[in-house]
Amino acid sequence: QVHLLQSGTEVKKPGATVKISCQTSEDTFNNNYINWLRQAPGQGLEWMELISPRDGITSLAQKFRDRLTVTRDPSTNTIFMELRGLRPDDTAIYYCARGYRFDYTFDSWGQGTLVTVSS
Amino acid sequence: IVLTQTPLSSPVTLGQPASISCRSSQSLVQSERTTSLSWLHQRPGQPPRVLIHKFSDRFSGVPDRFTGGGAGTDFTLKISRVEVEDVGVYYCMLSTQNPPMYTFGQGTRLDIK
Repeated sequence: QVHLLQSGTEVKKPGATVKISCQTSEDTFNNNYINWLRQAPGQGLEWMELISPRDGITSLAQKFRDRLTVTRDPSTNTIFMELRGLRPDDTAIYYCARGYRFDYTFDSWGQGTLVTVSS
Repeated sequence: IVLTQTPLSSPVTLGQPASISCRSSQSLVQSERTTSLSWLHQRPGQPPRVLIHKFSDRFSGVPDRFTGGGAGTDFTLKISRVEVEDVGVYYCMLSTQNPPMYTFGQGTRLDIK
């Protein structure tokens, strides 16, 4: 079973930056895309970006291009998502999800990280 | 492209069938290798999991009571006999490439009458 282990709950003030991690296996790190999505309370899913951890190539949704950065650490098979300029409407559960190798879907998800933005 | 799901809420009787529609604002060409429609299921308090991908392929380990179908702009997820574990929210998801983009329907909540 694939495990994507995310970092814990965050509480931030408006304007702050949050950085969330998603640790994978070496095989996943080297052979799959990792995607970041979010889900506001009681709302639907929103795709944010994907990264190829092996080579660092990313693709971001237009909406987030000014304030979202995704990086990775090959030594720990970990992917990081950094969102800057937080607003209350960024309050959401943030998920990392593994891209399926044979099609454009997600075959495994992290447990989710709740980010609350409040003054 | 916008995906519109109907109904938004569906109370069903255990053992009875259920059907969820996902309508695309543009016609989707299933033969396009860079286009894929998936159906996801999210139970309360859990991340989603994929049920159907590539428009109609059941994902590994998914019970055969789940069927995906449709063409053009209209796609459907059918559950032949609803079980208790099927409650939750169902999403259709469109994946397109060049550049990569993933779009979701607004979700359909399935609960037991």
